[in-house]
Amino acid sequence: DTEVTQTPKHLVMGMTNKKSLKCEQHMGHRAMYWYKQKAKKPPELMFVYSYEKLSINESVPSRFSPECPNSSLLNLHLHALQPEDSALYLCASSAGRAEAFFGQGTRLTVV
Amino acid sequence: AQKITQTQPGMFVQEKEAVTLDCTYDTSDPSYGLFWYKQPSSGEMIFLIYQGSYDQQNATEGRYSLNFQKARKSANLVISASQLGDSAMYFCAMRESSGAGSYQLTFGKGTKLSVIP
Repeated sequence: DTEVTQTPKHLVMGMTNKKSLKCEQHMGHRAMYWYKQKAKKPPELMFVYSYEKLSINESVPSRFSPECPNSSLLNLHLHALQPEDSALYLCASSAGRAEAFFGQGTRLTVV
Repeated sequence: AQKITQTQPGMFVQEKEAVTLDCTYDTSDPSYGLFWYKQPSSGEMIFLIYQGSYDQQNATEGRYSLNFQKARKSANLVISASQLGDSAMYFCAMRESSGAGSYQLTFGKGTKLSVIP
């Protein structure tokens, strides 16, 4: 099973809402990632959660907060987002140096 | 400085023909990995092929092969016998260490491939 599952696939939220994106993998990978991808741009790394340690891209605003309840799950909590945060959010997992497997993404629209 | 460079914003190829997508990279890490991903309009990033910096032979996966020229720091993707379903965005990516035993991928800007019937 080389699947990374992301829910929901689509999300529309207001700027005062609180929502969460969920990412799950059952490949036993110890590293999970959140990427943000704007239209016609490459993915940009937001967070890495690896061996129970979180690494943050310092350019990511605090209105995004990751949470790792266990080694198979990586959530992304969203609060007070701005319209410019509308993007495709991709989750990935990897076994160290090997290739990263990506989920299908969540298309987020902030209104 | 850009670490992964894809100089072809868009490419066209006739169905059943071969096409080469260019990628050059820059790193001082002697141990690195290079990847190619395909992203159709649905958004999912699909892993295609991997080349490690110490691999002696060029990687191949079915219709995909990677032309790895280490001295020139290039890792071009060759797709043979193009199919209509190959129309998508293609990203070259490089693995870098992000500390604590984890790695991150840095992506090029991508090449949009269109296959013509």
